[in-house]
Amino acid sequence: SAVISQKPSRDICQRGTSLTIQCQVDSQVTMMFWYRQQPGQSLTLIATANQGSEATYESGFVIDKFPISRPNLTFSTLTVSNMSPEDSSIYLCSAGLSYNEQFFGPGTRLTVL
Amino acid sequence: AQSVTQLGSHVSVSEGALVLLRCNYSSSVPPYLFWYVQYPNQGLQLLLKYTTGATLVKGINGFEAEFKKSETSFHLTKPSAHMSDAAEYFCAVTPDTGRRALTFGSGTRLQVQP
Repeated sequence: SAVISQKPSRDICQRGTSLTIQCQVDSQVTMMFWYRQQPGQSLTLIATANQGSEATYESGFVIDKFPISRPNLTFSTLTVSNMSPEDSSIYLCSAGLSYNEQFFGPGTRLTVL
Repeated sequence: AQSVTQLGSHVSVSEGALVLLRCNYSSSVPPYLFWYVQYPNQGLQLLLKYTTGATLVKGINGFEAEFKKSETSFHLTKPSAHMSDAAEYFCAVTPDTGRRALTFGSGTRLQVQP
């Protein structure tokens, strides 16, 4: 299994600012994903982070709002840009060697005022 | 396309009682199925998964689930609930082509009463 860490674990941000969340995996993985979990709801896939190329975004999510980087096989970042209170959520990184073997990070709890 | 339906957003059982959390899926191709658990203020932990082979899958913490193709179900059970089982449980699916990320159900919050 892979051990995944995320930074920061939580943050409180002002409207209009941006926050970059880091995801670090303790071993090389093929797949990395970013999910959003809005308060009291399930997980929604934001995008697949592709190593060395642009991320693949799901319907309803765009690169300008959620730019993603993945410079190597163990690290990825998600930026939440121009934040509004509606962006208050838990953001989770997942990773694995295949789509059917995913491990999740502890999440980043974001509150936007 | 695939989807997951979890019946019952909240389930309450007494300590020592049977736990049954329901999950039905819809998939145009044979699925891989998963159950994850989320404890308060934590990320998701994989409980068990079905990919191929035996349809009764055993996971961690005494949980098991049975894949029933005819019923398109993958219900999660545990014979005897423990207070530490109180958490949010998510069922998830991905097609067996292995080319898509997980699609999650809406989750079921399990409460265990003393």
